[in-house]
Amino acid sequence: AQSVSQHNHHVILSEAASLELGCNYSYGGTVNLFWYVQYPGQHLQLLLKYFSGDPLVKGIKGFEAEFIKSKFSFNLRKPSVQWSDTAEYFCAVNAYGGATNKLIFGTGTLLAVQP
Amino acid sequence: DTGVSQNPRHKITKRGQNVTFRCDPISEHNRLYWYRQTLGQGPEFLTYFQNEAQLEKSRLLSDRFSAERPKGSFSTLEIQRTEQGDSAMYLCASSLWGGASPTYEQYFGPGTRLTVT
Repeated sequence: AQSVSQHNHHVILSEAASLELGCNYSYGGTVNLFWYVQYPGQHLQLLLKYFSGDPLVKGIKGFEAEFIKSKFSFNLRKPSVQWSDTAEYFCAVNAYGGATNKLIFGTGTLLAVQP
Repeated sequence: DTGVSQNPRHKITKRGQNVTFRCDPISEHNRLYWYRQTLGQGPEFLTYFQNEAQLEKSRLLSDRFSAERPKGSFSTLEIQRTEQGDSAMYLCASSLWGGASPTYEQYFGPGTRLTVT
């Protein structure tokens, strides 16, 4: 069965610090990978996605993620965080070409950026 | 607003009562998903529809849960004889599957927060 692990449950950073959130998945086949973000009081929004091609993908608001197949990882990065990045971040995976396209989510990482 | 909408946003009910939630997906999306999210966890898949057909149900969806999408547009999720363990955020998402310009990614609604007392 597929599973997703997010190792950092709660991260506190100062503004302008660099961010890297870890995500590892467990699945032997080809996958589609996603990062979703949930800002306080708002619904889940897609931050970025990887389907195929260049393993370094860029998303909205300066975020990027790198797919490393050999490590089953899809870590999220941002060079310089802002207070407005305070949110909960979820990594998700689904089986490429799977009929369901259901998403398997990690437990989330709560990021607090201090001004 | 042309995003996914859910009603009600909050529901408080007593144990044993039935509740029904509604989800209106993005209009051109043919797939609709239901997820459940509890505190400290990521969303967990419950079921999904392609048009009006319910194609998969998770083992999390006990016999007390039923979902419909009668005309392939909005969907309802009903929980009968609610239990305290049903307290959670119920999320709906939609996507466009197949066709000339599929998007595949899922767009989420704001959720319905259920509290069972």
